[in-house]
Amino acid sequence: TQLLEQSPQFLSIQEGENLTVYCNSSSVFSSLQWYRQEPGEGPVLLVTVVTGGEVKKLKRLTFQFGDARKDSSLHITAAQTGDTGLYLCAGYHAGNNRKLIWGLGTSLAVNP
Amino acid sequence: KAGVTQTPRYLIKTRGQQVTLSCSPISGHRSVSWYQQTPGQGLQFLFEYFSETQRNKGNFPGRFSGRQFSNSRSEMNVSTLELGDSALYLCASSASGGADTGELFFGEGSRLTVL
Repeated sequence: TQLLEQSPQFLSIQEGENLTVYCNSSSVFSSLQWYRQEPGEGPVLLVTVVTGGEVKKLKRLTFQFGDARKDSSLHITAAQTGDTGLYLCAGYHAGNNRKLIWGLGTSLAVNP
Repeated sequence: KAGVTQTPRYLIKTRGQQVTLSCSPISGHRSVSWYQQTPGQGLQFLFEYFSETQRNKGNFPGRFSGRQFSNSRSEMNVSTLELGDSALYLCASSASGGADTGELFFGEGSRLTVL
């Protein structure tokens, strides 16, 4: 059973389009992290959200943590080819803050 | 500040052999975690070491083992390799090591192919 479900699994869009990817769970998380992984590289942390309802912005990327701390979303405005990569969400379960739980990721391709 | 360094980057082994992968964490980081990444399973947690002690372990068979040295460098070993062990093995270091907002810094990974 995957504790963190990411959707969509794959996404292919044109440069300039907007998109939203989701990270959902039936469990409560004390915090959620979003990472981006480019081919041949390890994941790189984009943001950590810790408070229910929290919204964080990183240039064209907007991250939201659900009020109940069970889900999160990542919205990209005016996508660029450099946004291409695998987007992973990961969270520390409220009941076990030692082990990071990972989603399977959303593979995003932004075409010129 | 140097990042996480993993060696080797690529390696090819045959079934039944064993392999050792190395990871040098960011200076000052005492926690090192290992992950196996495959297209179908995503990132699977192998184990975490903190100050030379294994603090957490995933659900992998005993063929997978690791250790951490006093300088925080870590190695993982896989014995009796199977075809299914082909994967990208990622090492991540952390300053806090498992705190509930702990950021992980990943290396570029070691790509293992088992023939």
